[in-house]
Amino acid sequence: GQNIDQPTEMTATEGAIVQINCTYQTSGFNGLFWYQQHAGEAPTFLSYNVLDGLEEKGRFSSFLSRSKGYSYLLLKELQMKDSASYLCAVLDSNYQLIWGAGTKLIIKP
Amino acid sequence: GAVVSQHPSWVICKSGTSVKIECRSLDFQATTMFWYRQFPKQSLMLMATSNEGSKATYEQGVEKDKFLINHASLTLSTLTVTSAHPEDSSFYICSAREYGTDYNEQFFGPGTRLTVL
Repeated sequence: GQNIDQPTEMTATEGAIVQINCTYQTSGFNGLFWYQQHAGEAPTFLSYNVLDGLEEKGRFSSFLSRSKGYSYLLLKELQMKDSASYLCAVLDSNYQLIWGAGTKLIIKP
Repeated sequence: GAVVSQHPSWVICKSGTSVKIECRSLDFQATTMFWYRQFPKQSLMLMATSNEGSKATYEQGVEKDKFLINHASLTLSTLTVTSAHPEDSSFYICSAREYGTDYNEQFFGPGTRLTVL
């Protein structure tokens, strides 16, 4: 079966750095997405990785290792507004998005 | 660019009535649109995939006669919840994939919160 694992909840301090991990086992791979979702709102796109390595975009970076079935989202200089759920999703061989359950990130002052 | 709208943003209805939710891609053509449902504190659950001009593909466990999907044009898909019951109360989100891109990104609408009394 297809499976995506990410921690249920993480807590970090304002101004710090946090890394949210995602491991996946899917039938085929056509890319991995990270989305941010605030409570009561739809997900918003953060990053897309299809090749191994690190993609940096401002305070957010995303890393992919296809051989290990592993990705992480790195958030730097955390702000209170970063408190949200972070969803990892993999595009499988049928170009269907397989979603993780999401990681709820709590930022403390 | 790549904006997706949903209407209505929230709806309250009586049990047994039908509710239609519209999903529009405002500035691009979407050959494929997706309908998701999300219960509180849970992740997105794909309900169905709809391709313009053809029948929707429903995920296992989703009743096609209860959740009617129409994708009549490259910019509009509708989800009709027929004979809604309280257990259908949820956050319904659509997304659209832009035609002709290799990126395969899905652009999400803002969601529709349905409450069935």
